[in-house]
Amino acid sequence: SAVISQKPSRDICQRGTSLTIQCQVDSQVTMMFWYRQQPGQSLTLIATANQGSEATYESGFVIDKFPISRPNLTFSTLTVSNMSPEDSSIYLCSAKGSLTQDTQYFGPGTRLTVL
Amino acid sequence: KQEVTQIPAALSVPEGENLVLNCSFTDSAIYNLQWFRQDPGKGLTSLLLIQSSQREQTSGRLNASLDKSSGRSTLYIAASQPGDSATYLCAVNYGGSQGNLIFGKGTKLSVKP
Repeated sequence: SAVISQKPSRDICQRGTSLTIQCQVDSQVTMMFWYRQQPGQSLTLIATANQGSEATYESGFVIDKFPISRPNLTFSTLTVSNMSPEDSSIYLCSAKGSLTQDTQYFGPGTRLTVL
Repeated sequence: KQEVTQIPAALSVPEGENLVLNCSFTDSAIYNLQWFRQDPGKGLTSLLLIQSSQREQTSGRLNASLDKSSGRSTLYIAASQPGDSATYLCAVNYGGSQGNLIFGKGTKLSVKP
């Protein structure tokens, strides 16, 4: 299995500011993903974080709004830029591959509230 | 469009009852399917992974089945306990070893003592 940690666990931010969320996996993984879970909803994929190259974004999500880094096989960051109240959500990091094989694991999430 | 549907949206049962949660998917060409549990305000805990070549997987009191031809999976929970109360999410991977998961909206389970 893989243990995934995220920082911060929660934050309250002002409109127009940016927040960077960190994701750390306890073992090397092939794939890392970022999901969003809006209040009362299920999970939606934001992007796949690619090691050493630009992330692959899903329809409706753009790099300028959600820049992602993945400098190595165990770490990734997601930035939520120029935030508005509509960005209030739980953001979850996920990973799979290598030791985890096909099982996909999730971090505890970052609960973001934008005022 | 590839979609995942879970029915019912919510379920309340008395402690000790056996129960079944349902998941259906529109495209049968799946790579694998994964069941998760989510407690309020928490992340997701992986329960079971079923590969497309498998018919079922078991872990303790949990049994997940897969019928690709009908586009369905079920999660069977035996002898339910109050600690089983959570939202259960079904997710389908169509993209292979590098594919991501498409999630259903979940079934919120409440087990009453």
